[in-house]
Amino acid sequence: GAVVSQHPSRVICKSGTSVKIECRSLDFQATTMFWYRQFPKQSLMLMATSNEGSKATYEQGVEKDKFLINHASLTLSTLTVTSAHPEDSSFYICSANTGQGSNDEQFFGPGTRLTVL
Amino acid sequence: ILNVEQSPQSLHVQEGDSTNFTCSFPSSNFYALHWYRWETAKSPEALFVMTLNGDEKKKGRISATLNTKEGYSYLYIKGSQPEDSATYLCAFEGGSYIPTFGRGTSLIVHP
Repeated sequence: GAVVSQHPSRVICKSGTSVKIECRSLDFQATTMFWYRQFPKQSLMLMATSNEGSKATYEQGVEKDKFLINHASLTLSTLTVTSAHPEDSSFYICSANTGQGSNDEQFFGPGTRLTVL
Repeated sequence: ILNVEQSPQSLHVQEGDSTNFTCSFPSSNFYALHWYRWETAKSPEALFVMTLNGDEKKKGRISATLNTKEGYSYLYIKGSQPEDSATYLCAFEGGSYIPTFGRGTSLIVHP
């Protein structure tokens, strides 16, 4: 199957710093990528839909100025958590769509564990 | 907010047992139902994409059924093996084509 990578896999940072997470589709072009967040014992929650060349669409309750998304190319989307605080500590995972209409599949990255001290 | 529920939340079985779990979802505005297998520190692995009411799909010892009219899907594992231990996620796609995930069922298969 298609491969989606995420970097870094784990990050620990001090409160107030910004953290950038990269999501790459390694062997296919993804016009749409999704960013999810999962708090312990909760469902994966969609944060935003990232479309190449246009502004991301954020879900209700997700601050776009805090979670900056840039989908600069068909293989790369980045999520920047600005001025991170301990409550932002979570598991962030991206996925990318193959964009094949009725055969469209979604592939996930391995996730990034963010811990804000 | 779409309600996608999975049950049970966790399940412990012995090697060789067959098991099944449930994903329930809205019965209106259905587009697709996805099943994923997710091992810790790995990407969720897509198992099935189900789109038609009455669909039954099979992959090795794992199979799934779909009932869109009543809003549920079952995932079955026949003869569970320790390597089947994982979290099994379902995701409902409605008219927006953006999936809503359940919380997952954590399966642990004891040797």
